[in-house]
Amino acid sequence: GENVEQHPSTLSVQEGDSAVIKCTYSDSASNYFPWYKQELGKGPQLIIDIRSNVGEKKDQRIAVTLNKTAKHFSLHITETQPEDSAVYFCAASRTNFGNEKLTFGTGTRLTIIP
Amino acid sequence: EAQVTQNPRYLITVTGKKLTVTCSQNMNHEYMSWYRQDPGLGLRQIYYSMNVEVTDKGDVPEGYKVSRKEKRNFPLILESPSPNQTSLYFCASRLMYQETQYFGPGTRLLVL
Repeated sequence: GENVEQHPSTLSVQEGDSAVIKCTYSDSASNYFPWYKQELGKGPQLIIDIRSNVGEKKDQRIAVTLNKTAKHFSLHITETQPEDSAVYFCAASRTNFGNEKLTFGTGTRLTIIP
Repeated sequence: EAQVTQNPRYLITVTGKKLTVTCSQNMNHEYMSWYRQDPGLGLRQIYYSMNVEVTDKGDVPEGYKVSRKEKRNFPLILESPSPNQTSLYFCASRLMYQETQYFGPGTRLLVL
């Protein structure tokens, strides 16, 4: 089955700086890669996703890049703000006729230092 | 408001005392699943359901049961809880042919 590794497990950055979180996956058939943000006391919430036919996707201060050859994808947050502090999870899945199963990374706790 | 709800949010129990965590969604989603979240292990799928009366095991199903009698509800049952089931549990749902999952707020369970 799929295995997703995520690094780093913790990350502290100064407010206004950029943050990068990296994930690698093992199943070359995986074609959907979402990123979830989990704030304290809440469930994970989708913030951005990318499909395997696209190399990069951007939404305001957040971007995701995908390298299919190397089987890794990354989350980039620019101009970080205190509200970006949270745990971030990457995930991967493959098309399976409605039974797509997300395999999650182990999470990155991002702390923005004011 | 479109949402996934879970109850209770916090639960302390003792070994062997049966408990049920409820999950309900109001988005008419076919697919529902349960995850547990443990430090350093991320989110692992316990059980999932692709529709009413259709359930199957995820990656860590031992010690858990589920049922799907109605489309909106997907309760998680621990018939004889043990301390290694102390964890943070999330219910999630999505439409069948869309990958975006919507998570509930979580249930923190402590088994003594």
